[in-house]
Amino acid sequence: DIQMTQSPSSLSASVGDRVTITCRASQGIRNDLGWFQQKPGKAPKLLIYAASSLQSGVPSRFSGSGSGTDFTLTISSLQPEDFATYYCLQHNNYPLTFGQGTRLEIK
Amino acid sequence: EVQLEESGGGLVQPGGSLRLSCAASGFTLTSYSMHWVRQAPGKGLEWVSYIRNTMDTIYYADSVKGRFTISKDNAKNSLYLQMNSLRDEDTAVYFCAVGYFDLWGRGTLVTVSS
Repeated sequence: DIQMTQSPSSLSASVGDRVTITCRASQGIRNDLGWFQQKPGKAPKLLIYAASSLQSGVPSRFSGSGSGTDFTLTISSLQPEDFATYYCLQHNNYPLTFGQGTRLEIK
Repeated sequence: EVQLEESGGGLVQPGGSLRLSCAASGFTLTSYSMHWVRQAPGKGLEWVSYIRNTMDTIYYADSVKGRFTISKDNAKNSLYLQMNSLRDEDTAVYFCAVGYFDLWGRGTLVTVSS
């Protein structure tokens, strides 16, 4: 199975900050990776697909990069509505695996 | 409006069974592969199962293999998850999602407890 190691597990930041979350795959997954945002009591929301493509309707302050084993999600200027938990997901091989999550909190 | 709606969750004793449903509206499931994903209370997301749109390919997480069965009824425009031999650790909110994870339901809570 492919393991996804996501870091950090939690992060405190302020409105306007630039933040980066990383995911590392235990083996190469090409660009078969998505990033999700989840708020309490809600379903996850797809932000980025194919590692770097912005899902329709998602603000352009979100961006993704990487290929192979190392991936990043960057939020260029944090907005109040961005405080949530973020997950990566590899869909290169079954079983699909999520990262452990990054809880983004207000400093 | 395009949406998914899960149902069928509830409280069940260990060893019991439950069948979850996921009804699609605003689009037809015929063309879409589907997933089940779960989230234990206070924990992260765990992928559970996948069924291809043609229903000829199915995958399961090791944690549910042999106990859960995914199926799809195109006539009813619905996805299902039959869960047998339930364990305490199956307690979670269960979400259905379309194949590229760009559409999710709100989830249904399954609680396994005596």
